[in-house]
Amino acid sequence: EPEVTQTPSHQVTQMGQEVILRCVPISNHLYFYWYRQILGQKVEFLVSFYNNEISEKSEIFDDQFSVERPDGSNFTLKIRSTKLEDSAMYFCASTPRMTRVGNEQFFGPGTRLTVL
Amino acid sequence: AQSVTQPDIHITVSEGASLELRCNYSYGATPYLFWYVQSPGQGLQLLLKYFSGDTLVQGIKGFEAEFKRSQSSFNLRKPSVHWSDAAEYFCAVCGNTGNQFYFGTGTSLTVIP
Repeated sequence: EPEVTQTPSHQVTQMGQEVILRCVPISNHLYFYWYRQILGQKVEFLVSFYNNEISEKSEIFDDQFSVERPDGSNFTLKIRSTKLEDSAMYFCASTPRMTRVGNEQFFGPGTRLTVL
Repeated sequence: AQSVTQPDIHITVSEGASLELRCNYSYGATPYLFWYVQSPGQGLQLLLKYFSGDTLVQGIKGFEAEFKRSQSSFNLRKPSVHWSDAAEYFCAVCGNTGNQFYFGTGTSLTVIP
């Protein structure tokens, strides 16, 4: 069964460094998402991406964040200058059509980011 | 604004006992509701979803959930829990644009022999 994959599973970085989290969505899916979950808190929406552009983003997704689909298969989340509070589990998700028309989002296993 | 509340942070049940995980939502229109399960080291797996129609929804692994509009609830149930059901359970509602999910804080389920 097709699945969303994410690499790395765990990333440790120093504060102020740039990190890139990678995701490979399911191949025929058109909508892509990033969520994060700070330890002990709820899963929070960051951004959705469709047709090579951001379709929606949350307040969390500030200028330090960016997303890209560089090659038609990967979907990346870049944090330009990491802060301690960026430490979290980051989930990628994809869906073939908009969720509202009846499709669940398919989630990857997550990347745990630790900022020291 | 859309939101989801899962009142129970942690639940412990005996294997074979019944289970009910609570979920309350806040949403201005007809909600689209989901239950996901997360096992350690795994991604979020869909258990079931509600979009319209029958308010009792059947899912995988023997789970079901009932949508009650009057109570703004979408509680997850299972008649007989198995040790392999130990995991984190998340309730989610779909937002206005159909693009993003609003998740609850999750309920951690422990199953004891």
